[in-house]
Parts: sequence; structure tokens; C-alpha cells
Amino acid sequence: ILNVEQSPQSLHVQEGDSTNFTCSFPSSNFYALHWYRWETAKSPEALFVMTLNGDEKKKGRISATLNTKEGYSYLYIKGSQPEDSATYLCALDTNAGKSTFGDGTTLTVKP
Amino acid sequence: GAGVSQTPSNKVTEKGKYVELRCDPISGHTALYWYRQSLGQGPEFLIYFQGTGAADDSGLPNDRFFAVRPEGSVSTLKIQRTERGDSAVYLCASSFWDSGEQFFGPGTRLTVL
Repeated sequence: ILNVEQSPQSLHVQEGDSTNFTCSFPSSNFYALHWYRWETAKSPEALFVMTLNGDEKKKGRISATLNTKEGYSYLYIKGSQPEDSATYLCALDTNAGKSTFGDGTTLTVKP
Repeated sequence: GAGVSQTPSNKVTEKGKYVELRCDPISGHTALYWYRQSLGQGPEFLIYFQGTGAADDSGLPNDRFFAVRPEGSVSTLKIQRTERGDSAVYLCASSFWDSGEQFFGPGTRLTVL
């Protein structure tokens, strides 16, 4: 059974702080790694799909890196805003189409 | 354009009953996924369709669970003889290709009394 671990489980920051969280996994044999943002009462929203070692993706104030050799991905948020409050999920595709999710990091940004 | 839709949004049923959950993917998306999410946990993979066929159903927990996608578009997740442990949010997602960016529906919250 593949374990996709996310840390920390929850995080509270002040508006304007930059923050990052981790997704770690045991294997480098996978098709893709996904990051999602899941706001309360909404659907999970795809942030990034990453496939190659050394991949770096950016969308506005949010960026992600992937290190397949050491088995981790980082998600960074620069200058956190209250609207960034959500649960951030990481998922690994070990077979095409089969995603294994971590339990997420819940971010709360205080104004 | 229209996103992924799921019906019903909420379903309350009694233990032992049969339920069907429906997913309407984004038009043109060939891949469709079903997940189950319990409180405090990430979504758990159930089944993945590529077109009309179930490409990977290894996540279905037992033979009470079954899913179809007869015309390669709408999918129905069917649960027989429901148990209280089946209570969860059932999420559907679709994408243009497997392991591509997945677009999620709002989910169906199933409660088995």
C-alpha cells in the first residue's frame, strides 16, 4: 500500500506570511504528482500536475517543486491571504489514472 | 462551460437499501474517476474509467460496490445492501486523459442510518 504523507496536518499563519508544506512518498515510480486546493463547501481544484524530477510550477503566489529521487514535493505560498485558507491535497498516480491521496494540510490564514 | 455535476447532493438511506449516485463529467473528457472521502482523510480511489470501460477498479472495497459508464459519458456508482460504514462523501472527477488535470464535482454526501 502506497503511503502519501503530508505535513503538517494543519497550519495557522498571519496574513502576509509565506508558508510551505510537504508531500512525501516512498517511490519514484509514478506517472504524476498532483496538488489540489479544497475550500470548504467547494470542489477540489487542481493546482499543479508534476511529472519530472526537478519540476517547478508556479501559479500566482503559489508554487511547487518536485524531487522524485528523495521522494518529496513542496508547495509554497508567498504572502498568504485569508482567501488561501483551504485544505491542500497531494496525490500520486502510481498507475495511469489511479491517484493515492494524502490526508491534506489545512491552512488557516488570519487577517 | 459546465463543470462536473453530481446528483443527488445529499442522500440519506437506511441500512440494507440500494443507492445510485450519478456523475456527469465535462463534455469531451474520456477519463472519469470515483473517490470516497471520509472526514479528516484525503479522497480514497475507488474506480477509474477510460471511455466506457473500467480501466482500474482495484479501489472498490467489496462486491457491493459497482460502477458503470455505458456510453462513455455519464457514470453511475451503485451500492447494494448499504452499511453504516458506507457513509461518506463520494466524489467524481473527469479529465482529458489519465493522470491529467482532474476536475472534481461537488460530491454526494451519503448517510446510511
